[in-house]
Amino acid sequence: EAQVTQNPRYLITVTGKKLTVTCSQNMNHEYMSWYRQDPGLGLRQIYYSMNVEVTDKGDVPEGYKVSRKEKRNFPLILESPSPNQTSLYFCASSSRGGGSTDTQYFGPGTRLTVL
Amino acid sequence: QKEVEQNSGPLSVPEGAIASLNCTYSDRGSQSFFWYRQYSGKSPELIMSIYSNGDKEDGRFTAQLNKASQYVSLLIRDSQPSDSATYLCAARNSGYSTLTFGKGTMLLVSP
Repeated sequence: EAQVTQNPRYLITVTGKKLTVTCSQNMNHEYMSWYRQDPGLGLRQIYYSMNVEVTDKGDVPEGYKVSRKEKRNFPLILESPSPNQTSLYFCASSSRGGGSTDTQYFGPGTRLTVL
Repeated sequence: QKEVEQNSGPLSVPEGAIASLNCTYSDRGSQSFFWYRQYSGKSPELIMSIYSNGDKEDGRFTAQLNKASQYVSLLIRDSQPSDSATYLCAARNSGYSTLTFGKGTMLLVSP
């Protein structure tokens, strides 16, 4: 089954404790992206990757890191999480990075709470 | 700055009625437009995509695009309670894969 998976689905942590949210897709997609979704603010892009070893900042990259060492994986790293990073996070992927008609598929989401 | 604007709603319609959801975008370079449906706490799910001016129909859903007016809409015919969700409009420039999302319109369909 074609899908985007994220782990963990739920995470409660404390300020300053480094964490990684994994994202994996099995559709051989070049393009992958991370979003956060907050009430009243909608979906905001954190980082995206057009292909392996190619990443770029989205609208709200501060406090986050990403890496793209393999095509299928695109982990989101919070080196020192803070309460303002409490949010619902989505990973997404699509084919033909750079094309204008790609369908973007979303993972199930990770609900992160930083105390 | 690229923006996609939607009325936050809620838009309330009775079961069986036509729901009309609207979206405007600021970037004239936008080429592709998407409507996603999102149930509370769940991930966005693609409903329709449209790239050319005019109408595109898929079952009960019709997407409409007017590039001159920078306007996109989604019509849902014979609305069902299961259509109650937040509908996200998104736009993308050609040559990029970054989607710009609106904040979404909540649709409530009452039985």
